[in-house]
Amino acid sequence: SAVISQKPSRDICQRGTSLTIQCQVDSQVTMMFWYRQQPGQSLTLIATANQGSEATYESGFVIDKFPISRPNLTFSTLTVSNMSPEDSSIYLCSVEIGLEIDTQYFGPGTRLTVL
Amino acid sequence: AQKVTQAQTEISVVEKEDVTLDCVYETRDTTYYLFWYKQPPSGELVFLIRRNSFDEQNEISGRYSWNFQKSTSSFNFTITASQVVDSAVYFCALSEGGGSQGNLIFGKGTKLSVKP
Repeated sequence: SAVISQKPSRDICQRGTSLTIQCQVDSQVTMMFWYRQQPGQSLTLIATANQGSEATYESGFVIDKFPISRPNLTFSTLTVSNMSPEDSSIYLCSVEIGLEIDTQYFGPGTRLTVL
Repeated sequence: AQKVTQAQTEISVVEKEDVTLDCVYETRDTTYYLFWYKQPPSGELVFLIRRNSFDEQNEISGRYSWNFQKSTSSFNFTITASQVVDSAVYFCALSEGGGSQGNLIFGKGTKLSVKP
């Protein structure tokens, strides 16, 4: 597996502001993903972060609300824009590593509270 | 459409009891992967096991064992002699197709509480 870190680990934000979450991996990975876990719920895929091109978003998620960057094979960011209390969730990045295609390893998550 | 059902929302056991977490899945693909993840109170998601659709062999890893039965579309997880540290939410997940598909379909999770 790889060591995956996320920053910040948690934050409390005001309605209408934006927060950028960083995901860093200690080795180059093929695939990176962003998930949302609303309170008491399961995980839902937001998008696949593509290196050097626009992210691929799942139904119900749009680039204007969740812009994603992936400038290289070890780093990605997710921005939660114009936040509302409904955006309060844990946001997790995950990666697929080299030979272990189809196995996703998750970062520690970013716990976001929007007031 | 693909779906993962974990019918047990919460389970509470006393330490040293055995406990089985159920997972039933739906898919039209013949090639798919099944996973179990553990999410302790700290929030991180810990990978436990991956099983592909062509391998129905049961697996044992220490106190953990998994029973994969395609005939009933189930992939159940048993913890033997449970410990307090096993307290967590456990998620079963499905990934369809071969190669990287990205979209893991998660069940709603089963919250396991192990009391001393």
